Amino acid sequence: DTEVTQTPKHLVMGMTNKKSLKCEQHMGHRAMYWYKQKAKKPPELMFVYSYEKLSINESVPSRFSPECPNSSLLNLHLHALQPEDSALYLCASSQDTGFEKLFFGSGTQLSVL
Amino acid sequence: GENVEQHPSTLSVQEGDSAVIKCTYSDSASNYFPWYKQELGKRPQLIIDIRSNVGEKKDQRIAVTLNKTAKHFSLHITETQPEDSAVYFCAANFNKFYFGSGTKLNVKP
Repeated sequence: DTEVTQTPKHLVMGMTNKKSLKCEQHMGHRAMYWYKQKAKKPPELMFVYSYEKLSINESVPSRFSPECPNSSLLNLHLHALQPEDSALYLCASSQDTGFEKLFFGSGTQLSVL
Repeated sequence: GENVEQHPSTLSVQEGDSAVIKCTYSDSASNYFPWYKQELGKRPQLIIDIRSNVGEKKDQRIAVTLNKTAKHFSLHITETQPEDSAVYFCAANFNKFYFGSGTKLNVKP
């Protein structure tokens, strides 16, 4: 299995909702990432987990809360989002933590109303 | 932090022609340079990468060259095909990934 799987593919939520994005990989990778991508822009790093521990938080607002339950799973909990948070949320993984050979999931297209 | 500049922002070529996309980086400690292809509505896919101890790498119609002295690296696509149409991102790593701003490549049949 050489895939990073993300669910759901699309999500529409109101500003008062709580939702979660899920990401799974079975490649034995030890680093997992959350990126945010706006249309026509490059991906922006949000969080990095290394060996199931949060190693980088790019000053992301607390309405985004990451969680790594085990080495294969990564979640992003969303609460009280703003319309400007609407974007494609990409999960990625890599063998090690040196930011090399990142494999991306297909993303969750999030719309906040 | 690292700064990666990518040019051009858009590139239109005729099918069968070559395409070249260039990136420059600022931090000489960067040691890994990948290229990602992203089709509309899809995930970024790693198409080729190069490490700082190598000057050139080829994979069929795709090649990447790296000039460490000048701190720039380039993606070369030969014999372009319509399915090469996509947005291409370069990146450099120094503690973390820094992406270029992207190049939208359009290959006209």
